[in-house]
Amino acid sequence: QLQLQESGPGLVKPSETLSLTCTVSGGSISSSSYYWGWIRQPPGKGLEWVGTIYYSGSTYYNPSLKSRVTISVDTSKNQFSLKLSSVTAADTAVYYCARSTVTTRYWYFDLWGRGTLVTVSS
Amino acid sequence: DIQMTQSPSTLSASVGDRVTITCRASQSISSWLAWYQQKPGKAPKLLIYKASSLESGVPSRFSGSGSGTEFTLTISSLQPDDFATYYCQQYNSYPEFGQGTKVEIK
Repeated sequence: QLQLQESGPGLVKPSETLSLTCTVSGGSISSSSYYWGWIRQPPGKGLEWVGTIYYSGSTYYNPSLKSRVTISVDTSKNQFSLKLSSVTAADTAVYYCARSTVTTRYWYFDLWGRGTLVTVSS
Repeated sequence: DIQMTQSPSTLSASVGDRVTITCRASQSISSWLAWYQQKPGKAPKLLIYKASSLESGVPSRFSGSGSGTEFTLTISSLQPDDFATYYCQQYNSYPEFGQGTKVEIK
């Protein structure tokens, strides 16, 4: 069945750019039935939606992060990626990639990756 | 922005108890609400979507209700596997999550 797996550096320095990739296996990222998203969770805290992308490249970002976030898709590799610039300690979190089935204008998340912890520290 | 507020923040209960968690939206979200279960160190798991639709494979002891601004997640008979944190999430606009409700052993 379809699985998602996050990958990327676990440690990023303040002011630098956080870069993560989500690899989709067991299915095609180019399916018209799905959107693909990033959600993060600071240690001991709640969930925050970061952004969502469609295989065509259409992107949607959390307004509170929009100036620093870029999400892209590589259909040839069955991957989508997150870049978050100018990071601070407040960006330390477990970052999850997730799938949303196309049913409504906006998204809930029906399949999640295991998550990867990114720590921002010098 | 739509704010999502869950209550209580923590709930102590025993196996077999009926448990209810409430989620309130700061404005109407129709039925565009999902519920998730998260266990320590694990990713959230979808339980309910569109306020009351049970995700495939989720036990029938979980149920959701509500519309507009007030929603509930009910566990009819709490099982040992159900001790976890539960989050609501609206998708009437860009996704927003509630702050979570931890269900702990009494």
